[in-house]
Amino acid sequence: AQTVTQSQPEMSVQEAETVTLSCTYDTSENNYYLFWYKQPPSRQMILVIRQEAYKQQNATENRFSVNFQKAAKSFSLKISDSQLGDTAMYFCAFMNLNYGQNFVFGPGTRLSVLP
Amino acid sequence: EAQVTQNPRYLITVTGKKLTVTCSQNMNHEYMSWYRQDPGLGLRQIYYSMNVEVTDKGDVPEGYKVSRKEKRNFPLILESPSPNQTSLYFCASSPGTANSPLHFGNGTRLTVT
Repeated sequence: AQTVTQSQPEMSVQEAETVTLSCTYDTSENNYYLFWYKQPPSRQMILVIRQEAYKQQNATENRFSVNFQKAAKSFSLKISDSQLGDTAMYFCAFMNLNYGQNFVFGPGTRLSVLP
Repeated sequence: EAQVTQNPRYLITVTGKKLTVTCSQNMNHEYMSWYRQDPGLGLRQIYYSMNVEVTDKGDVPEGYKVSRKEKRNFPLILESPSPNQTSLYFCASSPGTANSPLHFGNGTRLTVT
């Protein structure tokens, strides 16, 4: 079974600073996909960034980037120049097409950006 | 506007009273699924559907039913709700291809007393 672990239940960061959220996963598969979703207080689930396991290059989306370490099964999210609007719950998710496209989510990290 | 529409947003009911949460998507997506979100557990899959008339159990299917009679609709049915089904529920859809993210509805907060 695939599992996703987010070891930081809560984090805080000062506005304009950089923060890194950690995520590790367990799988025996070689081809899979990883995602970070953001859930602000409105409870909407918003895609932040995605990564294909076969790509060595780390994905980047504006202020968001990942550090994907396939051998270590690690997929951390870095938020640069943190903004108040980044305050949210962040979920790491794993998906493999061999499992009915079941997205396996981690327990989440609650991030607070402080003014 | 491409979206997943989920209703109602809030629902309070009593133990044993059957209820249905509706979900509809307008993106012609093949794949639809239901998740429940509980503190400290993240989102867990209840049921999913790869296409019309094709449904399968996720990780926590007990106490739930689904149907997929049309491509756009995927209702979640609780025949006899119990307090342990109090949770935040999300419907999601995707094209079902590699690297496709899930598109989520706005969630339904269910309270069973």
